[in-house]
Formats: sequence, structure tokens, C-alpha cells
Amino acid sequence: GQQLNQSPQSMFIQEGEDVSMNCTSSSIFNTWLWYKQDPGEGPVLLIALYKAGELTSNGRLTAQFGITRKDSFLNISASIPSDVGIYFCAGHLGTYKYIFGTGTRLKVLA
Amino acid sequence: GAGVSQSPRYKVAKRGQDVALRCDPISGHVSLFWYQQALGQGPEFLTYFQNEAQLDKSGLPSDRFFAERPEGSVSTLKIQRTQQEDSAVYLCASSLGGGGGTEAFFGQGTRLTVV
Repeated sequence: GQQLNQSPQSMFIQEGEDVSMNCTSSSIFNTWLWYKQDPGEGPVLLIALYKAGELTSNGRLTAQFGITRKDSFLNISASIPSDVGIYFCAGHLGTYKYIFGTGTRLKVLA
Repeated sequence: GAGVSQSPRYKVAKRGQDVALRCDPISGHVSLFWYQQALGQGPEFLTYFQNEAQLDKSGLPSDRFFAERPEGSVSTLKIQRTQQEDSAVYLCASSLGGGGGTEAFFGQGTRLTVV
């Protein structure tokens, strides 16, 4: 099935560092969602974006809906050990389904 | 509870067995989605319900997969004659609005292992 491209695929960072990841598509999306998934759990919604250019924050997380509507970015500031997990973007085309990204695996070194 | 609830959390099925996976969405949520997640991959869309109507089943991999939401709340995903390639985590999500496009909340998933 179709999946969005996320980069980086995985990253190791030191505690306290800022993290950036992005999601790109060949299609234009109307909505972008960002999720975090821990092992053995379902994805947990972090941030929702509804307009091109929109910048939204949730605590240490900031996400942006790209101007072209084909990409989105997620930043995590001052990372902590509990930020470890897999981050997924999901785009909504205007059809019913969300298309998910391939995931960015984040590992934080204390 | 306030979130999406799925049961069972884990299911081991012998090849050829039929299984039924249950999803209790957030109360009042119009939209309900089923996704399949293979190990190390992102979730892949299976099917979508708006209330009791199944409006998109384009992601169901074969006619062995069947989903229903008869009263517009609880949904069941049924897999007949399970095969090893059906082993995956099955995720259910719900959202308040119809048509998707609004915040979607996921359950913990059902991990299906076919042996």
C-alpha cells in the first residue's frame, strides 16, 4: 500500500538535544497528523494540522504543515528519555483514509 | 473508558481458523477506521465506516477479510481461514467527524499471530 516517506528513518540523539524529522508526499494533503507509538501500543496522537503553513505546538513538540501541502515537519526540543519511540506522520487526502509514513525511530542517549 | 478499546489484545490462531477482532470506539464518534500494521511498518488502511455505513473497503487484502459496524458504534473485523501472512497488529481508530480529516484516535491494537 501507499506510504509516505519519512526521514530520517532512525536517529540516536543525546538527551537535551533538539530533534527534527519530516514527512514528504507526492500528493497534496488537507490534514496532517503526527503520532508517537511505543512498543506494543497503539499510535498516540501528538499534533493535528489543518492549514498550509500552519505551525502548531504541544509542549516541547512543534509541527508545521508545509506550504506546498506535500510535506510536514515535526520538531522536538530538549529531548528526554521518554521521547524514545517511533514517530509517524499521517496525511488525509480528502478521501476517507489516512495514509501513514514509514516512521522515524528515535533513540535518546542519556 | 474514554479511549478506543480493542479486544483481544493478543490472539494466536491456527492456520485456517476464523478470528473476530472487536473495536469499541470513543462514544459519539462517527468515523471508524481499521488499519493493519506489519512489524516495523507504518499502519496500512483496511476499511472505513461512517456510522454503520462501510464507505471504503479498498484496503481489505482479500475476500477473507470482512468488517461490520451494524449499529454505528462497536465494530468487528473478521478474518476467515487465516493464513500466516495475516499475522500483524490490527489497529482500530475513531474520529468525531464524518469523512475523516479530523483527529483520529487509536486503540492499543490486537496482535494476531497465525501459526
